[in-house]
Amino acid sequence: EPEVTQTPSHQVTQMGQEVILRCVPISNHLYFYWYRQILGQKVEFLVSFYNNEISEKSEIFDDQFSVERPDGSNFTLKIRSTKLEDSAMYFCASSRLAGSSYEQYFGPGTRLTVT
Amino acid sequence: RKEVEQDPGPFNVPEGATVAFNCTYSNSASQSFFWYRQDCRKEPKLLMSVYSSGNEDGRFTAQLNRASQYISLLIRDSKLSDSATYLCVVNITPAPYGQNFVFGPGTRLSVLP
Repeated sequence: EPEVTQTPSHQVTQMGQEVILRCVPISNHLYFYWYRQILGQKVEFLVSFYNNEISEKSEIFDDQFSVERPDGSNFTLKIRSTKLEDSAMYFCASSRLAGSSYEQYFGPGTRLTVT
Repeated sequence: RKEVEQDPGPFNVPEGATVAFNCTYSNSASQSFFWYRQDCRKEPKLLMSVYSSGNEDGRFTAQLNRASQYISLLIRDSKLSDSATYLCVVNITPAPYGQNFVFGPGTRLSVLP
């Protein structure tokens, strides 16, 4: 069964450093997403991406965040200057359909720890 | 009012019990609705989409009441493997380009032997 993959599984970085989280969505999916989940809290939408551009983003997704699809398979989330409060699990997701139903399939996540 | 609210839980039930989860959402323009389950420190996994007429998948039944902005999930004959956190998810952006999923805080279920 096709699945979304993410690397690394765990990233430790120092405050102020840049990190890039990587995702390989399911191959025939057209829509890509990033979410985060701070430990003990709910899953929060960050951004959605379609046709090589951002289609929607939340208030959390400020200027320190960016996304990119550098080739035909990878989808990345960059955090330019990490803060302590960026420590969270970051999930990538993808979906195939347009229209009213967007069943999203999630990767296993990258746990980001900012020290 | 929070965008998506769920029963606070946790629910502790014996094997074989029937359990129901409730969810309400605030945005009347919400287009599509889902139940996901999340095991501890794992990714959310799609359980089922929720359709206006209600739908069933084996032991799981989902209902949607748009007028009341209410979604439910019923699990019959619960198994130990059903122990997880159940997440109510609402797509709040109008079709056809709606892609903003809002997650509820989840309801934790523990099925006891």
